[in-house]
Amino acid sequence: DTEVTQTPKHLVMGMTNKKSLKCEQHMGHRAMYWYKQKAKKPPELMFVYSYEKLSINESVPSRFSPECPNSSLLNLHLHALQPEDSALYLCASSQDTGTIGYTFGSGTRLTVV
Amino acid sequence: QKEVEQNSGPLSVPEGAIASLNCTYSDRGSQSFFWYRQYSGKSPELIMSIYSNGDKEDGRFTAQLNKASQYVSLLIRDSQPSDSATYLCAVNLYTGGFKTIFGAGTRLFVKA
Repeated sequence: DTEVTQTPKHLVMGMTNKKSLKCEQHMGHRAMYWYKQKAKKPPELMFVYSYEKLSINESVPSRFSPECPNSSLLNLHLHALQPEDSALYLCASSQDTGTIGYTFGSGTRLTVV
Repeated sequence: QKEVEQNSGPLSVPEGAIASLNCTYSDRGSQSFFWYRQYSGKSPELIMSIYSNGDKEDGRFTAQLNKASQYVSLLIRDSQPSDSATYLCAVNLYTGGFKTIFGAGTRLFVKA
């Protein structure tokens, strides 16, 4: 069982929908991340929440917005997505800012129709 | 030049052989190096980390780091069909804040 829990595992949404992806870690890690991964491509960093500070990859469109209710939760709100946003969305956590590696959640397979 | 480069493969080896996966990186300030295994449709799993030059062994896996050549490799001894997956090389570097860059991954097939 993974110690980073992501829900839902699969999501199909229309381009006018609003949905949220949830991520929770139970390891007391100080940093959490959202990555996007397209097929046969490496994970691409979207957001980092580390030591109570949110860092944003400036290339990420505003239709994606992160929310960190507390140090164990990192949600990703989705609004007005495009079909090209269909991908595997991965949440990860690390003890610090990644210098000792990540623990990934099982991912959310998102399809935008 | 890509920051982290890997041969996309596929790399095909027979069962029981040694699989050798290679990775080069461009930033000499890179500090931490990782190998993740990713099965098709699944999330990456950390299998090895290495921080200093030389070899690090963990079971059937050996990671090798050469900072002078900016090269990190992963050897899998006694390869098993269950090792068939994509192996992602990742490099953590400091650029005003820590940042982890992933390579595109090498697909490994172990033939029974």
